[in-house]
Amino acid sequence: EVQLVESGGGLVQPGRSLKLSCAASGFTFSNYYMAWVRQAPKKGLEWVATISTSGSRTYYPDSVKGRFTISRDNAKSSLYLQMNSLKSEDTATYYCARHDTIAAFDYWGQGVMVTVSS
Amino acid sequence: DVVLTQTPSTLSATIGQSVSISCRSSQSLLDSAGNTYLYWYLQRPGQSPQLLIYLVSNLGSGVPNRFSGSGSGTDFTLKISGVEAEDLGVYYCMQATHAPLTFGSGTKLEIK
Repeated sequence: EVQLVESGGGLVQPGRSLKLSCAASGFTFSNYYMAWVRQAPKKGLEWVATISTSGSRTYYPDSVKGRFTISRDNAKSSLYLQMNSLKSEDTATYYCARHDTIAAFDYWGQGVMVTVSS
Repeated sequence: DVVLTQTPSTLSATIGQSVSISCRSSQSLLDSAGNTYLYWYLQRPGQSPQLLIYLVSNLGSGVPNRFSGSGSGTDFTLKISGVEAEDLGVYYCMQATHAPLTFGSGTKLEIK
């Protein structure tokens, strides 16, 4: 059974940093692209980042480019999101998702809440 | 960025009723290789989104066949043939043909 478990969320002040983690199990982690998708409170879904199988290629929308960094450790079956220079508009639930080349986000974690506030 | 416009924003249905949700794209989602990267997701209350449909019309793993997807180019439809109570939630379309990946604003399905 595919499982994705996020951790590392919490309350952080504007301008500070936070690192999210996602522990994967139930599939061969190193064979899949992985992604982060977020959802602001009572809002829709926004893609945040994607990383290739080896980690050599990363992709971001303009809203987080230069501030967020996605990375992975295939030996630990773990995905990460380093978030710097956080803004109030980054407040959201962050989901880890398996990013299949055909089926897109076919499995999702339960999400972790990040609140950016002074 | 590609804008996906979903209609209606809210839908109320009785059990057993068939309903459709529209997703219209600001650009064609057909790529140069002939693929159309249009997806449908359902987010039930308090849960993570789950994949329903991939590549316009393919059913995700474990998804009941009362769900179906159709369309091409810029116009796409998700149909539920015989709504069940467990189908309530918010439905999102998503495109992955053009960077950045974008989602529609969602359609909330309520059960009467």
